[in-house]
Amino acid sequence: DTGVSQDPRHKITKRGQNVTFRCDPISEHNRLYWYRQTLGQGPEFLTYFQNEAQLEKSRLLSDRFSAERPKGSFSTLEIQRTEQGDSAMYLCASIAGRTDTQYFGPGTRLTVL
Amino acid sequence: GQQLNQSPQSMFIQEGEDVSMNCTSSSIFNTWLWYKQDPGEGPVLLIALYKAGELTSNGRLTAQFGITRKDSFLNISASIPSDVGIYFCAGHTGTASKLTFGTGTRLQVTL
Repeated sequence: DTGVSQDPRHKITKRGQNVTFRCDPISEHNRLYWYRQTLGQGPEFLTYFQNEAQLEKSRLLSDRFSAERPKGSFSTLEIQRTEQGDSAMYLCASIAGRTDTQYFGPGTRLTVL
Repeated sequence: GQQLNQSPQSMFIQEGEDVSMNCTSSSIFNTWLWYKQDPGEGPVLLIALYKAGELTSNGRLTAQFGITRKDSFLNISASIPSDVGIYFCAGHTGTASKLTFGTGTRLQVTL
């Protein structure tokens, strides 16, 4: 069990560009969460998958954001037409079965210039 | 989005001192979790609490689930330099287990 991994760890992009992040959860964890964390704040919930089904989306997830988990394993988070306000740390977490303990990945830090 | 109220915001303590921090919510939670986050890294789980009134220890860390289910406390005894970091409380109501986080307590330990 290698833990939750995220790629890339850092991404610098220009405003208006599209970016995509990947999250690989802990093996056999069926639930996967995305959070966003801005400087000086705690993480805020974005969206959640159970297997391949996206079950909930936060109001923070504007129509420029899309997340997928096509085979119920890894997940991608895409941001289209990035804005400077999208600069943040994007965190992924996974959870097994009916337990309540979420394990977080190291995050992807996005900087939009 | 909603963030839990966490205090203090920051603490500067000497090595060997004990530390206390707390977290309050206007809503009831079914689970409270405490995480530690180092710069540039994701949060790492320290302690999980599942029942009102529960007191749980993990080494030098002790956390309690408040009986009103609207608060939680974390104590660190005999602090050491590697305790430096930001501590976050988090809670959930059980619905989809999405977490609501506190605003964080930044801990600095001086020698």
